[in-house]
Amino acid sequence: EVQLVESGGGLVQPGGSLRLSCAASGFTFTNYAMSWVRQAPGKGLEWVSGISDSGGSTFYADSVKGRFTISRDNSKNTLYLQMNSLRTEDTAVYYCVKASDKWNYENYFDYWGQGTLVTVSS
Amino acid sequence: DIQMTQSPSSLSASVGDRVTITCRASQSISSYLNWCQQKPGRAPKVLIYAASSLQSGVPSRFSGSGSGTDFTLTISSLQPEDFATYYCQQSYSNPLTFGGGTKVEIK
Repeated sequence: EVQLVESGGGLVQPGGSLRLSCAASGFTFTNYAMSWVRQAPGKGLEWVSGISDSGGSTFYADSVKGRFTISRDNSKNTLYLQMNSLRTEDTAVYYCVKASDKWNYENYFDYWGQGTLVTVSS
Repeated sequence: DIQMTQSPSSLSASVGDRVTITCRASQSISSYLNWCQQKPGRAPKVLIYAASSLQSGVPSRFSGSGSGTDFTLTISSLQPEDFATYYCQQSYSNPLTFGGGTKVEIK
């Protein structure tokens, strides 16, 4: 059974930093691209960042480019999102999401974690 | 960036109704369009991928069609468990983008 368990969310002040982790199990982690998708309270879904199966390629939404860094440790089956210079508009539930394949057009999000809440407020 | 526009943003329907949701891309995305369903307080789950392929385990009352810029999600006979919010999402180019969502409510 595929499981994605996020951790690291919490309350942080504007300008602060936070690192999210996602522990993956139930599949061969090294074979699949991964992403982070967020959802602000009462709002829709927003893709934040993605990473290829090897970790050699990374991709970002314009809203987080230069502030967030996605990475993965394939030896630990873990995905990360380092979030710096946080803003109030980054407040959201952050979901760890598994892709159906390597990073390509035909990818879709086939498994989602339960999410971790990040609140940016003074 | 490719903009995804869903319509309607919400709808009211009865159990047994046929429901159609539309998604339009700001440029051609071939068939690289996916649909997911989200219930309150839950993570989304994929229903349809590549415009018309049904994800394993998803009931056959869900179907998708379209290519290029115009796509539809159809629920042939709405069931009580289908009341939720539905999102389209393109995988054609980065940044990946979602539609704004369609909330399906009970009439």
